[in-house]
Amino acid sequence: QSVLTQPPSASGTPGQRVTISCSGSSSNIGSSSVNWYQQLPGTAPKLLIFRTGQRPSGVPDRFSGSKSGTSASLAISGLQSGDEADYYCATWDDSLHGPVFGGGTKLTVL
Amino acid sequence: QITLKESGPTLVKSTQTLTLTCTFSAFSLTTTGVGVGWIRQPPGKALEWLALIYWDDSKYYSPSLKSRLTITKDTSKYQVVLTMTNLDPVDTATYYCSHTRGGENTGYFDYWGQGTLVTVSS
Repeated sequence: QSVLTQPPSASGTPGQRVTISCSGSSSNIGSSSVNWYQQLPGTAPKLLIFRTGQRPSGVPDRFSGSKSGTSASLAISGLQSGDEADYYCATWDDSLHGPVFGGGTKLTVL
Repeated sequence: QITLKESGPTLVKSTQTLTLTCTFSAFSLTTTGVGVGWIRQPPGKALEWLALIYWDDSKYYSPSLKSRLTITKDTSKYQVVLTMTNLDPVDTATYYCSHTRGGENTGYFDYWGQGTLVTVSS
């Protein structure tokens, strides 16, 4: 059971906007920034969003992140077939003294 | 361009000790704020953080695996080594090493190795 809770699946049609939630607690999301990783099938995870809302160079602005209290969200607008992947949220947990990951959300583009 | 690559055995037996090496380039583990972490992923399952070592030799371990893990660095060789003792088939996973920056509460894993699949047989 992951410390951060994500829905196991999400879906949308091309061009649509989808959001993926990540729920935590005061010891993790509530006190730290949140990162999001995209894992395409058969590949290593890739940093998608860091420090809650920043995008690394090369990541399209279709991807955005936000946080409110002990929950965070990843939004993907203008959904594309190439966005089909597993998405993981992650943050630091003060109680566990280390990073924690969510259980992952499998995004399907219908 | 920062790169990392994991190396080690692909098949180990239960109760044995696993030693994985992360060899990296284009950064130094003597640079303030820089660290290397190990994360694993059992087949079809989620990512799980294992251990983290920073430039100042501070170390962090997953509480659930702490008694079995040791992480060390060799700055001259640009390597980080993870040792895991008393392996079990449930430890079968792809093991990734990753470059991290930003410290504790604001840190993130920005470069990842390709991963190495380790299978533990009973």
